[in-house]
Amino acid sequence: GDSVTQMEGPVTLSEEAFLTINCTYTATGYPSLFWYVQYPGEGLQLLLKATKADDKGSNKGFEATYRKETTSFHLEKGSVQVSDSAVYFCALSDNQAAGNKLTFGGGTRVLVKP
Amino acid sequence: KAGVTQTPRYLIKTRGQQVTLSCSPISGHRSVSWYQQTPGQGLQFLFEYFSETQRNKGNFPGRFSGRQFSNSRSEMNVSTLELGDSALYLCASSPQTHNYGYTFGSGTRLTVV
Repeated sequence: GDSVTQMEGPVTLSEEAFLTINCTYTATGYPSLFWYVQYPGEGLQLLLKATKADDKGSNKGFEATYRKETTSFHLEKGSVQVSDSAVYFCALSDNQAAGNKLTFGGGTRVLVKP
Repeated sequence: KAGVTQTPRYLIKTRGQQVTLSCSPISGHRSVSWYQQTPGQGLQFLFEYFSETQRNKGNFPGRFSGRQFSNSRSEMNVSTLELGDSALYLCASSPQTHNYGYTFGSGTRLTVV
């Protein structure tokens, strides 16, 4: 079945540091890939997405590129802020399956210190 | 544009009781999915409804059920509650297909005592 593996946290950084969160996936077809962010006490917010190989998703300074050859979708941000402290989830949706279903990684907690 | 609305936000129930959670999707979104989030199991897919039909179902016991109404609002029901059902239940809506992404509500925090 489909699966998503992402690096375990917590990841602790200083403000303005570079952030990378690794994400790899296993899927039978050609999935769409997503990064979601969850702030304390809230639901999930879509951060960015990519729907085919070599697509680059970007939003709010975050970027991730759909790498089919390495089955990866790593999240990066060049200069983090304290407000980026949250839990980040990598997810996939199998485009071959009927209906909508997201398969999530375990989440990576990021803490940015001033 | 209103987001996905889940009610109630918090709920405390006793073992053996049943509970119904509600989700109102973004206007025009016809797909509604439900997820369970726990510290141990992470985010797990429960089921998805589209135009009042269940299109996909996760690996949960039959105590977990749901439905969708003609206005796309959805409810999920858990019968005979167990302590392990304590979780954050998240609803997500989407226009139609996966590629649009999903908009999540803030969730319902269920505590079973």
